[in-house]
Amino acid sequence: EVQLVESGGGLVQPGGSLRLSCAASGFTVSSNYMSWVRQAPGKGLEWVSVIYSGGSTYYADSVKGRFTISRDNSKNTLYLQMNSLRAEDTAVYYCARDRAYCSGGSCHDPFDYWGQGTLVTVSS
Amino acid sequence: AIQMTQSPSSLSASVGDRVTITCRASQGIRNDLGWYQQKPGKAPKLLIYAASSLQSGVPSRFSGSGSGTDFTLTISSLQPEDFATYYCLQDYNYPLTFGQGTKVEIK
Repeated sequence: EVQLVESGGGLVQPGGSLRLSCAASGFTVSSNYMSWVRQAPGKGLEWVSVIYSGGSTYYADSVKGRFTISRDNSKNTLYLQMNSLRAEDTAVYYCARDRAYCSGGSCHDPFDYWGQGTLVTVSS
Repeated sequence: AIQMTQSPSSLSASVGDRVTITCRASQGIRNDLGWYQQKPGKAPKLLIYAASSLQSGVPSRFSGSGSGTDFTLTISSLQPEDFATYYCLQDYNYPLTFGQGTKVEIK
């Protein structure tokens, strides 16, 4: 059974740092694309970052230069290192498996499994 | 970044109603679009990918259509468990962008 379990959220002061973890079971993180998606309280979904199976990474403009996505293959775990945190980074952070595939000249990124989310609150 | 505009932002419907939600992209995205359902306090759930492909295990009352800039999610006969917020997501290019969501409420 595929399962994703996030941890590491909490209260942090503006300018501080936090590292989120997403422990996977039932599949191999390094063989898949993996993304982080966040949701501010009462707001919609915002894609944050992706790491490809090959190791390439991409970020939303709002976090570029401050957040770093990575993985530990030995632990089958995805991470999001968040530095220089701002109040607007307050959100529930979800990790998701991206079942990326290409067909007929188009490539698609369905997020087929999600974690339960971990809340990050940035406040003094 | 590609902007995704959903309409309506909310709707009220009754069990058994046919419900249609639309999503418009600010530029052509071929069929690179997914639909997600989210219930309060829960993670999103994939319903449709590649604009019209039904995710395994999702009831057939859900369907998606469209290509280019205009897309539709249809629920053919609304069930009690379908009251939720629905989001479209373009995966044509980075940054991936979601629509603002459509909340489906009980009439």
